[in-house]
Amino acid sequence: GQQVMQIPQYQHVQEGEDFTTYCNSSTTLSNIQWYKQRPGGHPVFLIQLVKSGEVKKQKRLTFQFGEAKKNSSLHITATQTTDVGTYFCAGRGNYGQNFVFGPGTRLSVLP
Amino acid sequence: DVKVTQSSRYLVKRTGEKVFLECVQDMDHENMFWYRQDPGLGLRLIYFSYDVKMKEKGDIPEGYSVSREKKERFSLILESASTNQTSMYLCASSLFSGTGASSYNSPLHFGNGTRLTVT
Repeated sequence: GQQVMQIPQYQHVQEGEDFTTYCNSSTTLSNIQWYKQRPGGHPVFLIQLVKSGEVKKQKRLTFQFGEAKKNSSLHITATQTTDVGTYFCAGRGNYGQNFVFGPGTRLSVLP
Repeated sequence: DVKVTQSSRYLVKRTGEKVFLECVQDMDHENMFWYRQDPGLGLRLIYFSYDVKMKEKGDIPEGYSVSREKKERFSLILESASTNQTSMYLCASSLFSGTGASSYNSPLHFGNGTRLTVT
């Protein structure tokens, strides 16, 4: 079945440094969603990418969908302590109904 | 704003007990889901439902069942709890929008989770 991987599993950065997490699928995706889960909280939807090569920005966050629609990335510029949390990607296959979540990347930001 | 409410934040049960986890959403969403979250494994889908009285197995349904008697309520049942079911359980809902492939694109709205410990 469809598998979604994420790297790295953990990332510790100094406040102000950039951060990137990568999401890779074993199969071609129809679309991909990104979620953020703060410590002690629940996943919250950030964005959805649908088109090949699509790039979307939300303030300091940049989301990219690969040309082959098998990978995606989330880049945070100049991290802040408010960025702390676990970032999940969730991909849906071309013939699937449900999103398959990656294991997540836990981001720590040192002040 | 969508609200998904899970009945318990923390639950401790004994092996062999029957456990009910309740979830209610207030936005008239058609779709409801139960996930479990374990470190390093992300969120894994247990069961989902696209309509009242309808249920479908997710990726890890063994040891679980569900009930959806009303549109706003989706219950997860552990028939005989085991220690390997100790986990964080997350309920989610989403809107069934459009037709065809796009009908499955709606964002998931999660509850705060129930941390279940089976001893």
